[in-house]
Amino acid sequence: DTGVSQDPRHKITKRGQNVTFRCDPISEHNRLYWYRQTLGQGPEFLTYFQNEAQLEKSRLLSDRFSAERPKGSFSTLEIQRTEQGDSAMYLCASSYMGGSNTEAFFGQGTRLTVV
Amino acid sequence: DAKTTQPNSMESNEEEPVHLPCNHSTISGTDYIHWYRQLPSQGPEYVIHGLTSNVNNRMASLAIAEDRKSSTLILHRATLRDAAVYYCILRGYSGAGSYQLTFGKGTKLSVIP
Repeated sequence: DTGVSQDPRHKITKRGQNVTFRCDPISEHNRLYWYRQTLGQGPEFLTYFQNEAQLEKSRLLSDRFSAERPKGSFSTLEIQRTEQGDSAMYLCASSYMGGSNTEAFFGQGTRLTVV
Repeated sequence: DAKTTQPNSMESNEEEPVHLPCNHSTISGTDYIHWYRQLPSQGPEYVIHGLTSNVNNRMASLAIAEDRKSSTLILHRATLRDAAVYYCILRGYSGAGSYQLTFGKGTKLSVIP
């Protein structure tokens, strides 16, 4: 297993367009997280899946954002009607089922630029 | 997750030890102390974690104060590849089984050749 994989690595889109990102977690990991990171800031939590169930969503996740993990494996994050403020690095992380003593593995992220 | 306080930046000479401090005075009894680092243009990378006792692994050591209100990440010999932003995070149960990580701004470590 090569770790958490994200696709694409970079995306440039025009304001108002829809974009979709994909995350392939480590295969045996039940937990999957999406984070967003803007320049000079630490990553901010967006949403969390346990298997295929989306169990937690941040207030940062506006109605234009939707995430899925249909079979409990890969996940997609879609942003509709993109705005310039959506420009950021979108990070995916996965971890094995466990408590607060487990480590999370991050992908390299998808850098979104909205022009 | 409870909040942590870290210096914005630190410098170290190559091949010297580095001590990265973190204050977490509001830590609860069940919070684990996690450290992640993020190299430029990469996702965060797990470094080490602990609860009460000091911990060692191949990357670093974690020294935890007896009252658990502060901790120090120790890199024994800094290399140029250790230049990164280091995040100290308290990880606890955040509802719905999430255990999400709450990142601050971290400490940007520069390593001088």
